[in-house]
Amino acid sequence: EAQVTQNPRYLITVTGKKLTVTCSQNMNHEYMSWYRQDPGLGLRQIYYSMNVEVTDKGDVPEGYKVSRKEKRNFPLILESPSPNQTSLYFCASSLGLSGAWYNEQFFGPGTRLTVL
Amino acid sequence: AQSVTQLDSHVSVSEGTPVLLRCNYSSSYSPSLFWYVQHPNKGLQLLLKYTSAATLVKGINGFEAEFKKSETSFHLTKPSAHMSDAAEYFCVVSDLKDKIIFGKGTRLHILP
Repeated sequence: EAQVTQNPRYLITVTGKKLTVTCSQNMNHEYMSWYRQDPGLGLRQIYYSMNVEVTDKGDVPEGYKVSRKEKRNFPLILESPSPNQTSLYFCASSLGLSGAWYNEQFFGPGTRLTVL
Repeated sequence: AQSVTQLDSHVSVSEGTPVLLRCNYSSSYSPSLFWYVQHPNKGLQLLLKYTSAATLVKGINGFEAEFKKSETSFHLTKPSAHMSDAAEYFCVVSDLKDKIIFGKGTRLHILP
């Protein structure tokens, strides 16, 4: 089954304790992205990757890191989490660009993170 | 710089009546436009997308949207609302600068 998986689905942690949220897709997609969703703000892009070893900042990258060593995986790293990073996080993947047009994204189920 | 504005944060309609969710965008390039739906405690699902073919785009579950370049709008409509349509809807714009911008969402309430 074509899908985007995220782990863990729920995480409660404390300020300053490094954590990684994994994201994996099995559709051979080139484009992958991380978003955070906060009430009243919609989804905001944290980082995205157009292909292996190519990553770039989205609108809210502060406090996050990513890497893209393999096509299928795009982990999100919080080196020193803070309470303002408490949020619902979504990973997404897509075929990327077809000519001048974007293909649709496929979303993971979400990771609910609480930082105390 | 591109942006997207969903004009209503909440919309309430009665079951069986038409739905209109409004979205305006701004983009320096020819944009790709999308509508996604998020049901409570679920992930996001694509409803429909516009990528320069027909300006009237049909999606899943009876939804459609019309791209109007002169009005920079991409409003989502459905002729007859169903209880299962209650969800949050996001308008999304992407352009060749690789940025993907989500609107803040419109929560659709269906009244029995």
